[in-house]
Amino acid sequence: GENVEQHPSTLSVQEGDSAVIKCTYSDSASNYFPWYKQELGKGPQLIIDIRSNVGEKKDQRIAVTLNKTAKHFSLHITETQPEDSAVYFCAATNLNFGKGTSLLVTP
Amino acid sequence: EAGVTQSPTHLIKTRGQQVTLRCSPISGHTSVYWYQQALGLGLQFLLWYDEGEERNRGNFPPRFSGRQFPNYSSELNVNALELEDSALYLCASNFNPGQGHEKLFFGSGTQLSVL
Repeated sequence: GENVEQHPSTLSVQEGDSAVIKCTYSDSASNYFPWYKQELGKGPQLIIDIRSNVGEKKDQRIAVTLNKTAKHFSLHITETQPEDSAVYFCAATNLNFGKGTSLLVTP
Repeated sequence: EAGVTQSPTHLIKTRGQQVTLRCSPISGHTSVYWYQQALGLGLQFLLWYDEGEERNRGNFPPRFSGRQFPNYSSELNVNALELEDSALYLCASNFNPGQGHEKLFFGSGTQLSVL
C-alpha cells in the first residue's frame, strides 16, 4: 500500500523566516496531495492541495511543489507568523497521511 | 452552515468494553471518513463510507466497524477495547470525492481514553 513519509517532525523558525516541510510517497498512482493544518483542540483544516498534473501551486504565503518522478512534494510557508504555529500534515490521496510536523514560529 | 459534528467529545471506557462514536457530515456531503489520531502516529485512515456503502478500509482489525445511514450520518463502533485504542477519533466529510471535490472537512473529534 501507499506509504507517506514526512520530515521534519518538529520545526522551529523565527517570525518572518520561511518554513519548508517535505513528504515522500511510494505509490506512483497517487494523484492528489493535500496539506492540512491542525491547531490545538481542533480538527485538521485543508490549507492547500495539488494534483499530479501540476508541478507547483501558490496561495498567498503558502506554496506546494510536486516532483512526480522523485515522488516527493513540499510545503513552503514564507514570512511566517506566530499564528502559523500548528501541526501540519501531508497526504497522498485522502487515505494516507504523514505523521505530521509540529511548526513553532517564535516572535 | 454547520460543520462536521461529532459526539461525544470525550469518552472514558475500560478494557474489553464497546464504544460507539457518531458523526454528522456537512449538509449535502455524501462521503464520511474516519481516522484514528494516536499520539505520535499522525492520522491513520480507518474507514470510508459513500452513499451508504463501505468504499475502503484501513489496516485495522475487524473489531473496528461502522456504518452510514440514509441521512449520510455515520457511526464508528469499536468492540473489545484495548489500551492502545486510546486516541482522538476524527470524522471528515466531502461531496462525492471525484476530481474537484476531494477536499475534506474535519470535525473536532472524539477523545477516547481506555483504562
